[in-house]
Amino acid sequence: DTAVSQTPKYLVTQMGNDKSIKCEQNLGHDTMYWYKQDSKKFLKIMFSYNNKELIINETVPNRFSPKSPDKAHLNLHINSLELGDSAVYFCASSQRSQRGTRTQYFGPGTRLTVL
Amino acid sequence: GESVGLHLPTLSVQEGDNSIINCAYSNSASDYFIWYKQESGKGPQFIIDIRSNMDKRQGQRVTVLLNKTVKHLSLQIAATQPGDSAVYFCAVAGGGADGLTFGKGTHLIIQP
Repeated sequence: DTAVSQTPKYLVTQMGNDKSIKCEQNLGHDTMYWYKQDSKKFLKIMFSYNNKELIINETVPNRFSPKSPDKAHLNLHINSLELGDSAVYFCASSQRSQRGTRTQYFGPGTRLTVL
Repeated sequence: GESVGLHLPTLSVQEGDNSIINCAYSNSASDYFIWYKQESGKGPQFIIDIRSNMDKRQGQRVTVLLNKTVKHLSLQIAATQPGDSAVYFCAVAGGGADGLTFGKGTHLIIQP
């Protein structure tokens, strides 16, 4: 009964390749996110999607593109991978409540290694 | 924009002692605060949250304190156990944005 799941858990690839990471949530949430965690454990938001609309897009390279086929999925596509893209990528989801709480629930992460 | 910082990258405590992890934020419009625990190889896990209309909230062995005057947040863990060993993040939201701004994390080490 995994709430937020990601595939693959590990991804090793060569520079210049194009890859995708998939994310699914079964919590019925209306917003999904992608975060990048660097080697120093710093978590930085990359994207969020609410009702199929991109509502946050931080200063990430346009080689990264989120795609949401439906409310339960937010996939991350990365083109022309670079060494600096190596990191752990986390998917998360949340539901805005009437009280304004925005607790986000995270997936287990995808460790991307670019060689 | 918001910036969030933690005072200590590493905190070492004896098993059974209480732990206090601190966090500071910059945006006075921030109105929602969360503490997450991240164990090795796993994603961040929700521990406890607090809204800006409160200054204290308690959970099971954990307490979050919020001081809006000095924009400071703390997580207290009572009777620390080996399973509490993890990296702890504070996260802040506010200003109508849906995103969270995370602090840099404190690695809590439990010594026997």
